[in-house]
Formats: sequence, structure tokens, C-alpha cells
Amino acid sequence: EDKVVQSPLSLVVHEGDTVTLNCSYEVTNFRSLLWYKQEKKAPTFLFMLTSSGIEKKSGRLSSILDKKELFSILNITATQTGDSAIYLCAPLIQGAQKLVFGQGTRLTINP
Amino acid sequence: DTAVSQTPKYLVTQMGNDKSIKCEQNLGHDTMYWYKQDSKKFLKIMFSYNNKELIINETVPNRFSPKSPDKAHLNLHINSLELGDSAVYFCASSHTSGGAGELFFGEGSRLTVL
Repeated sequence: EDKVVQSPLSLVVHEGDTVTLNCSYEVTNFRSLLWYKQEKKAPTFLFMLTSSGIEKKSGRLSSILDKKELFSILNITATQTGDSAIYLCAPLIQGAQKLVFGQGTRLTINP
Repeated sequence: DTAVSQTPKYLVTQMGNDKSIKCEQNLGHDTMYWYKQDSKKFLKIMFSYNNKELIINETVPNRFSPKSPDKAHLNLHINSLELGDSAVYFCASSHTSGGAGELFFGEGSRLTVL
């Protein structure tokens, strides 16, 4: 059975801190791994990672994938209160074209 | 201009009733999905359709019946609602021809069964 585990489940930090969110997975027919940010409503797309070791960056956010060890991390530097959200990782299964979501990390940034 | 829109956003109903949620996407995508997010925030796939054809049906009770009249629409009908059906239901779409792209989600429909 496909399995995705995110850690920590919950994280509370102060503005300006740097955080690292973890995602480990065991799935069949892995194609790529996606990160989403969910605030109040719809998850919004952050990154899609297909190749190992290649960092993707978008402003203060960056992410990298390790296909040998089956994990990915999402880093956020100089956090702001607007970064408070649930962060979801989801491997994309080839063929079935479905995302298998982890339970998410609830990140809270205090001013 | 909403890319993936679903209606209604909120639905409160009694056990045993039948209800529908509608979804439309204007992104020109060929694949649409229904996901269920429970109280613990787990997002789990229910169904996916590619060009109106059912691709994924993930062990969902047959009280749930998706219908895709065309590739821009995917509706979800639920019969004989149960308390455990209370959740947020998200519609999503993606472009999968030539390789999978990211999913774009609607804002969710919160269903509460009393």
C-alpha cells in the first residue's frame, strides 16, 4: 500500500526563523513529488520534483528530492506570518496519475 | 476568473438524503478528480476521469457516483448520506496528456451530515 509520512505534524516558530519540513514516501510507480500549501481553502501548488538532487527555489522556499532514500524536504527561510499553513507533500503515481497525500505539517509562524 | 469552481461551497443536510456537488474547470485540462479531506486533513483520492472516462475509483462506497458530461465538468452525487460522509470534498483538474502536470484544486465543498 502506498504510504506517505510527513514530519513534524505540527511546528510553531517565530517570524524570521528557518524551518525544514520532511516527507518520506513508499509508493509504487513513482513519477514525481509535489508540494502544496493549504491555508483556509484550496491547496495551492508549490513545487514539482522529478529528479534527485536538483533544488527547486521560489523566493524563500526551496525543495529537494532524494529518490534513493525516498524523501523530500521543504525549506522556508526568514519565515513570515503569511507562511502559516498546512504543507502537504504528495507523490504522483505514474499510470494511475493520482497524487497520494501525506497528512500534512501544520506550520504556525508567530510574530 | 476561477479556474476550478465547485458548488455549493457549504452543504448541511440530514442523514439519508441525496445530494450533489458540481465542478467545472476552464483550464482546458483533460483529467478531473474528486478528493475527500477528512477532519484530520488527510486528502484522499476518490475518483478521476480522463476525457469523460473513469480512470480511478478508489474503494469508494457505491453510494457515491461521479458523472462527467464533458471533460470540463465532473459532478459528484451522493445517495443515502451517512454521518461519516461529513468532510470537505475537493475537485481538481490537471493536464495529463504527454505526462502529468500538477493538480489545480477548487476551493472545496464542506458537507455536514446531521
